[in-house]
Amino acid sequence: SQQGEEDPQALSIQEGENATMNCSYKTSINNLQWYRQNSGRGLVHLILIRSNEREKHSGRLRVTLDTSKKSSSLLITASRAADTASYFCATASSGGSNYKLTFGKGTLLTVNP
Amino acid sequence: NAGVMQNPRHLVRRRGQEARLRCSPMKGHSHVYWYRQLPEEGLKFMVYLQKENIIDESGMPKERFSAEFPKEGPSILRIQQVVRGDSAAYFCASSPRGSRGATDTQYFGPGTRLTVL
Repeated sequence: SQQGEEDPQALSIQEGENATMNCSYKTSINNLQWYRQNSGRGLVHLILIRSNEREKHSGRLRVTLDTSKKSSSLLITASRAADTASYFCATASSGGSNYKLTFGKGTLLTVNP
Repeated sequence: NAGVMQNPRHLVRRRGQEARLRCSPMKGHSHVYWYRQLPEEGLKFMVYLQKENIIDESGMPKERFSAEFPKEGPSILRIQQVVRGDSAAYFCASSPRGSRGATDTQYFGPGTRLTVL
């Protein structure tokens, strides 16, 4: 699998439910970031978690990071129809090239009203 | 504070023509990154520039592609003699200090969708 690979590829839930998306990566990282992309639009930065952090919250978002398993999860609580979008994780590797974000293919989240 | 600006938003070119994509970073940001997104794919890093310098172009195809970030004006991604396989969304991002040795969020523009006929 490629660096920053999301799972599942697609997720469909009802409004009010929670949505969990996972991301796996291969190499050592400096940080991991989650982005949202609405259809045909640009990326919106959601949250950044550093390699020495285990959990981070921002509003209805909760991100965890397990560096021993090289994995991260994004939890969106009490989902809304407006959360419908593709969600990407991006890793910044440790070392000199940590500006080079590596993205997965994303999880397409559909929240049905 | 305006976000990262990209223009045009949509660009149509015929095979063999040139494509010029422009990116104006956020105010106060002097580091620019270009990424390409093919259909149904994640973004792929292309190049990292600072004012008048190319820092890392390891993701750029060796031929036909070039990028610059002049002292004045926007960053330009230039694709010469476009082919159908160049059809993609091209995103620009900027950060204030550059992420080498630091953890700076990259802020993305809305992208330019290039279609090659």
